[in-house]
Amino acid sequence: QSALTQPASVSGSFGQSITISCIGTSSDVGGYKYVSWYQQHPGKAPKLMIHDVSNRPSGVSNRFSGSKSGNTASLTISGLQAEDEADYYCSSYTSSSTSFVVFGGGTKLTVL
Amino acid sequence: EVQLVQSGAEVKKPGESLKISCKGSGYSFTSYWIGWVRQMPGKGLEWMGIIYPGDSDTRYSPSFQGQVTITADKSISTAYLQWSSLKASDTAIYYCAKPRYSNTWYYFDYWGQGTLVTVSS
Repeated sequence: QSALTQPASVSGSFGQSITISCIGTSSDVGGYKYVSWYQQHPGKAPKLMIHDVSNRPSGVSNRFSGSKSGNTASLTISGLQAEDEADYYCSSYTSSSTSFVVFGGGTKLTVL
Repeated sequence: EVQLVQSGAEVKKPGESLKISCKGSGYSFTSYWIGWVRQMPGKGLEWMGIIYPGDSDTRYSPSFQGQVTITADKSISTAYLQWSSLKASDTAIYYCAKPRYSNTWYYFDYWGQGTLVTVSS
């Protein structure tokens, strides 16, 4: 099973907005509303930022938002802060011969 | 407070067996799925599989089916990930994780601290 496709890196200036894309297929991203996004700082465990396409867990800043169109999901971070610099991973439920979860390859966000 | 506490780092030789653990506390262990995620050195996250300790229902990613075994001992609120014959390519950090809600298994709110497994001759 191929990973979901994310850009390897994105960058944005302090205070600006950026969007990270996550491209899948109709068997995963496009077929279900079960896309999630995680943030991972170096040496730390991942942190859930968005689940079910656009839902923020309690405690996650409203600067983080998620959306989906067709087979592409997106994570938008507005008002970039220094602490947003991290790796970001999308994931999706997938169902082909069996049901499981697939991650994207990850995107390194640099805040300039 | 929900906590997932994983066993310590391991150094093994190729061909050896290994079982690492993840102890859950602060919630009803049998009512929530618990999963495993691999992160190879400098690489991304890979979903390995998940188990429901209440009835031991287990699901694997096709990439890991037959390569590892996920089990759980509900009497001690602990999930396990095991290998029968390690390879150098199994060198990675392994995270256990669980969702906040009992009716979901496809995203994880809570994560363990990770267990580094090094396989080298």
